[in-house]
Amino acid sequence: EPEVTQTPSHQVTQMGQEVILRCVPISNHLYFYWYRQILGQKVEFLVSFYNNEISEKSEIFDDQFSVERPDGSNFTLKIRSTKLEDSAMYFCASSTTGPLNYGYTFGSGTRLTVV
Amino acid sequence: TQLLEQSPQFLSIQEGENLTVYCNSSSVFSSLQWYRQEPGEGPVLLVTVVTGGEVKKLKRLTFQFGDARKDSSLHITAAQPGDTGLYLCAGARVGDYKLSFGAGTTVTVRA
Repeated sequence: EPEVTQTPSHQVTQMGQEVILRCVPISNHLYFYWYRQILGQKVEFLVSFYNNEISEKSEIFDDQFSVERPDGSNFTLKIRSTKLEDSAMYFCASSTTGPLNYGYTFGSGTRLTVV
Repeated sequence: TQLLEQSPQFLSIQEGENLTVYCNSSSVFSSLQWYRQEPGEGPVLLVTVVTGGEVKKLKRLTFQFGDARKDSSLHITAAQPGDTGLYLCAGARVGDYKLSFGAGTTVTVRA
């Protein structure tokens, strides 16, 4: 069964450093998303991406964050100048359809720990 | 205020019993989905409902979408220990490009 692949599975970084989280969505999917889940809290939307541009972003997704689809397969989330409160599980997801979506496929996540 | 309210937050039952998890909102959704999440893993899609009043069955799991498309329920018949996990509802409002998640219901089925 097709999978969304995320790397690395765990990233530890110093406060103030930049991190890039990588995702390979399912090949025929057109919509891509990043979500995060702080330990013990609910899954929160960060950003959606379609046709090489951001289609929607949350209040969390400020200038510290950026996304990119540098080639036909990868989808990355960059976090600049990381803060302690950025520590969370970051999930990438993809889907074939957008607003009337019929389900996302999530990756297994990257656990980001900022120390 | 949560867009999607799930209840109960925790549910512990004996093997063989039935259980129902609820997902409620004051907003109308174009679709509602149920996911199951294991510790340290991403949510895994169980079902998507898109039509008001729709009922879908997945083995012992029955999912219902409210007539007004504002709420949904997940019913598990004759629960088994393998049903233990975190169940999440998530919805896409009309015009949204994102899913909004509920806080989840942790289900524990005791053998």
